[in-house]
Amino acid sequence: GAGVSQTPSNKVTEKGKYVELRCDPISGHTALYWYRQSLGQGPEFLIYFQGTGAADDSGLPNDRFFAVRPEGSVSTLKIQRTERGDSAVYLCASSLLSGGSEQYFGPGTRLTVT
Amino acid sequence: AQTVTQSQPEMSVQEAETVTLSCTYDTSESNYYLFWYKQPPSRQMILVIRQEAYKQQNATENRFSVNFQKAAKSFSLKISDSQLGDTAMYFCAFSPRGGSEKLVFGKGTKLTVNP
Repeated sequence: GAGVSQTPSNKVTEKGKYVELRCDPISGHTALYWYRQSLGQGPEFLIYFQGTGAADDSGLPNDRFFAVRPEGSVSTLKIQRTERGDSAVYLCASSLLSGGSEQYFGPGTRLTVT
Repeated sequence: AQTVTQSQPEMSVQEAETVTLSCTYDTSESNYYLFWYKQPPSRQMILVIRQEAYKQQNATENRFSVNFQKAAKSFSLKISDSQLGDTAMYFCAFSPRGGSEKLVFGKGTKLTVNP
């Protein structure tokens, strides 16, 4: 079956602009995660959805970052007033259940803020 | 707060040989999971192996095995019979049991398998 997909694969934007990053999880996976991976670092947790609700958003760095998952499937990560420090690869992962289930990752979106 | 430390930024190994990647972690949790993920240049993170902290037996997956030392909070990955396709970044990750079970990653080890 299809894995986790993310669009776009690359996004270049100017400082101050608004961007949306999309994640299509594996069908039937109720848990969805967003991570951010800066150059030379491991991924850092941003937000976790269980179904439609954001069950843990403790990793969002500030109020410029917001994510939604209105129908419990596709999720969109939204970044307002982008800054150069937002440049990173944004990874999405989904899993079937909790209980240490494997998180399946998408290929990521590389965001570059100029 | 949980932290994961990978002390080897880069390692190399000859094809067909064995290599061990180190990982230590810090947590006050008693129930948790540990993972090794592989990230090739394509950026796709792939699960290599998973260990449940309450299980004393070390996990194995074909050529990959772990040495889990709970008291020492150590979780190393051994790759046997290394193959060129094993060349990648390897990330150790921790996940507390319950709640969001978000992954906390180390900074990674870049492994190069030489022919």
